[in-house]
Amino acid sequence: DGGITQSPKYLFRKEGQNVTLSCEQNLNHDAMYWYRQDPGQGLRLIYYSQIVNDFQKGDIAEGYSVSREKKESFPLTVTSAQKNPTAFYLCASSIGNSPPGELFFGEGSRLTVL
Amino acid sequence: AQTVTQSQPEMSVQEAETVTLSCTYDTSESDYYLFWYKQPPSRQMILVIRQEAYKQQNATENRFSVNFQKAAKSFSLKISDSQLGDAAMYFCAYVRPGRSNYQLIWGAGTKLIIKP
Repeated sequence: DGGITQSPKYLFRKEGQNVTLSCEQNLNHDAMYWYRQDPGQGLRLIYYSQIVNDFQKGDIAEGYSVSREKKESFPLTVTSAQKNPTAFYLCASSIGNSPPGELFFGEGSRLTVL
Repeated sequence: AQTVTQSQPEMSVQEAETVTLSCTYDTSESDYYLFWYKQPPSRQMILVIRQEAYKQQNATENRFSVNFQKAAKSFSLKISDSQLGDAAMYFCAYVRPGRSNYQLIWGAGTKLIIKP
């Protein structure tokens, strides 16, 4: 079945540690996105990539980094510089920008900093 | 700047009844797209319904329909014959035509509880 796989589903991290969240898609989508979801705040864009080997910062990129070396993969690293990393992280993909607004999401990764 | 507001953090409805979730938005544009996304407890968010602003007819997908009032900048989602599987977070979103999907603007979400 085609879809987006995020792993791990739950992750615990000590302060000062970097952690990498995996996002893999087999939908052959060009565009991929990382969102952060906090209660009462909706989805906030961290990074996006519209084509392999290229990515751009979103609205809240500080303390995060990404890579896009393969079309299928868009891992997100939460660095120790991220001041409040405990959150739910969603990865999404789309066939470019058409049809507009149609994103496909993974099941998410919940990161807790101890 | 465009904004999307969902003023109901949580709603509850009895199974088999109808519920309406509210969404308002602020834009000076005349053409745009509006969306409702559903995020069930399994967490995989899916697109429920899409509305194009230039279309007069309200979009419908089975038990899901919208009440799009362009002048009032309101885009509510009506769920008829509510089922237990409708329990989820619902997000309203907006994007202008010709803009990239990363420019989607999201509301804060409404948690829908279905009472058996």
